Amino acid sequence: NAGVTQTPKFQVLKTGQSMTLQCAQDMNHNSMYWYRQDPGMGLRLIYYSASEGTTDKGEVPNGYNVSRLNKREFSLRLESAAPSQTSVYFCASSEVGRDRASYEQYFGPGTRLTVT
Amino acid sequence: AQSVTQLGSHVSVSEGALVLLRCNYSSSVPPYLFWYVQYPNQGLQLLLKYTSAATLVKGINGFEAEFKKSETSFHLTKPSAHMSDAAEYFCAVSVDAGNMLTFGGGTRLMVKP
Repeated sequence: NAGVTQTPKFQVLKTGQSMTLQCAQDMNHNSMYWYRQDPGMGLRLIYYSASEGTTDKGEVPNGYNVSRLNKREFSLRLESAAPSQTSVYFCASSEVGRDRASYEQYFGPGTRLTVT
Repeated sequence: AQSVTQLGSHVSVSEGALVLLRCNYSSSVPPYLFWYVQYPNQGLQLLLKYTSAATLVKGINGFEAEFKKSETSFHLTKPSAHMSDAAEYFCAVSVDAGNMLTFGGGTRLMVKP
């Protein structure tokens, strides 16, 4: 199992450009998440998808859109990139409804995005 | 809403010394609590988790954490630091399976030879 995979690993954009970050998981999880990581702030939730066909805003959704393409894939789109979106982006997945002892989120390796 | 505070953004210990990384949380309902570790240029890896079973939780690489409800704490410890423990550590809380994780700001652990 590859777990959670993300593409690309690195990206440099100019202000105003758009791009889509891709995420896929092969663990048959229902829930998927997008986080951004900034120094001293931990990880903050951008959007999540509790199940295929549903998406919800997290703590910092402004400037982003998401698509839950199918059960495996959850993409994050920046329509018009801004320097404030320079960050490391992590995708994660988890199962919903399992017993408490089993619950955890699994993370991908991250995408380092720089907006100049 | 839940929140997490990690005291000390940087902690430095000598090899072989005790590691203590502090985490305090706030939650109005019984929480799930997690410690994740992030090695340089990598994703997050689960170190251990508390899900309302035993209050002393053992994780990978010799780490453990104790859930103390009265202190709303979930501090991470390891009796003897190793050079390979140098990494960033994140405490996180969730209040329901399938819900979002709220992370603390992270603590960077440095291990001196």
